[in-house]
Amino acid sequence: GENVEQHPSTLSVQEGDSAVIKCTYSDSASNYFPWYKQELGKGPQLIIDIRSNVGEKKDQRIAVTLNKTAKHFSLHITETQPEDSAVYFCAAKENTGTASKLTFGTGTRLQVTL
Amino acid sequence: DAGITQSPRHKVTETGTPVTLRCHQTENHRYMYWYRQDPGHGLRLIHYSYGVKDTDKGEVSDGYSVSRSKTEDFLLTLESATSSQTSVYFCAISGRAMGFYEQYFGPGTRLTVT
Repeated sequence: GENVEQHPSTLSVQEGDSAVIKCTYSDSASNYFPWYKQELGKGPQLIIDIRSNVGEKKDQRIAVTLNKTAKHFSLHITETQPEDSAVYFCAAKENTGTASKLTFGTGTRLQVTL
Repeated sequence: DAGITQSPRHKVTETGTPVTLRCHQTENHRYMYWYRQDPGHGLRLIHYSYGVKDTDKGEVSDGYSVSRSKTEDFLLTLESATSSQTSVYFCAISGRAMGFYEQYFGPGTRLTVT
């Protein structure tokens, strides 16, 4: 089955700086890669995703890049703000038809300091 | 939380007792999922459903069963709860209106088995 590794496990940045979280996956057939943000006591919230036929996707201050050859993808947050502080999870979808079976990374706790 | 509710939100139970968690959606989506979240493991898929009465196992299905008799409800049952099943349980949905792949999570149920 799919295996997703995520680094770093914790990340502290100053407000206004950029943050980068990296994930690698094992199954070259995986074709969809979402990123989730989880605030304390809440469910994960989808913030951005990318499909295997795209190399980069941006949405305001966040962007995701995908390198299929190296089997890794990254989340980039620019101009970080205190409200970006949360736990971020990457995931990869197995290429098993329309059921969205996701394998998650172990999470990155991002802290944005003033 | 994308029209998803989970009940109960918190539960404390004793080892050996049966427990049923409920996930309810108002979106009429085809796919529903149960995950558990534990420190150091991210989210792991327990079971999922691809239609009424159609279910399949995920990565960590031992000790759990599921049922889906209506589109809107997906039940997770722990037949005989053990301390290793202490966790936070999340339900998620995906479907055609979301492009199939995008998965949205409920608020979670915190289960403690003493």
